[in-house]
Amino acid sequence: EAGVVQSPRYKIIEKKQPVAFWCNPISGHNTLYWYLQNLGQGPELLIRYENEEAVDDSQLPKDRFSAERLKGVDSTLKIQPAELGDSAVYLCASSLGGANSPLHFGNGTRLTVT
Amino acid sequence: SQELEQSPQSLIVQEGKNLTINCTSSKTLYGLYWYKQKYGEGLIFLMMLQKGGEEKSHEKITAKLDEKKQQSSLHITASQPSHAGIYLCGADGSGNTGKLIFGQGTTLQVKP
Repeated sequence: EAGVVQSPRYKIIEKKQPVAFWCNPISGHNTLYWYLQNLGQGPELLIRYENEEAVDDSQLPKDRFSAERLKGVDSTLKIQPAELGDSAVYLCASSLGGANSPLHFGNGTRLTVT
Repeated sequence: SQELEQSPQSLIVQEGKNLTINCTSSKTLYGLYWYKQKYGEGLIFLMMLQKGGEEKSHEKITAKLDEKKQQSSLHITASQPSHAGIYLCGADGSGNTGKLIFGQGTTLQVKP
């Protein structure tokens, strides 16, 4: 079974530029997550989807961050404009959903904002 | 909101030694997950514990859940260099919703 696929693996941009990350979850996984991980810390949830519906986006900075999962499969996370403090690893995860369903993570996108 | 605290933050052990990593929750645990992360990579699922007193093992790694203490421990027996990495515990902060919060991680180095 193919795992969660993310692209790109690395991205370097100048501040104020836009950036987008893409995620393809494990086939059949209805729940998709975007997490942010700063160096030396655990991942922090940005947004969670159940199929195409964002069911928890309370921690997504909506002034500059947006996400979509139009057909309930692939998802895109966008930042516009990027700030220096956005430099981090952006992780996508998927699960079958509901209680006691382990999350399976992609390798992440490492973003550097200069 | 729920918080998970891991201890120690980092650990260096000699190959062949045993070690334990702890994860303590500020609130009731509804399932506890252990993950391993290599630098620059995503999190690899190790084990999930659902009930108080539950204990699971995978190869030389054993995890236990003490629901009353709101704590879980991860024990590695006869550590090997391949065990090196960052170990993270995760818990369902809202109670059976599948939304995981994570501890800050424990970095393990194993010296050959």
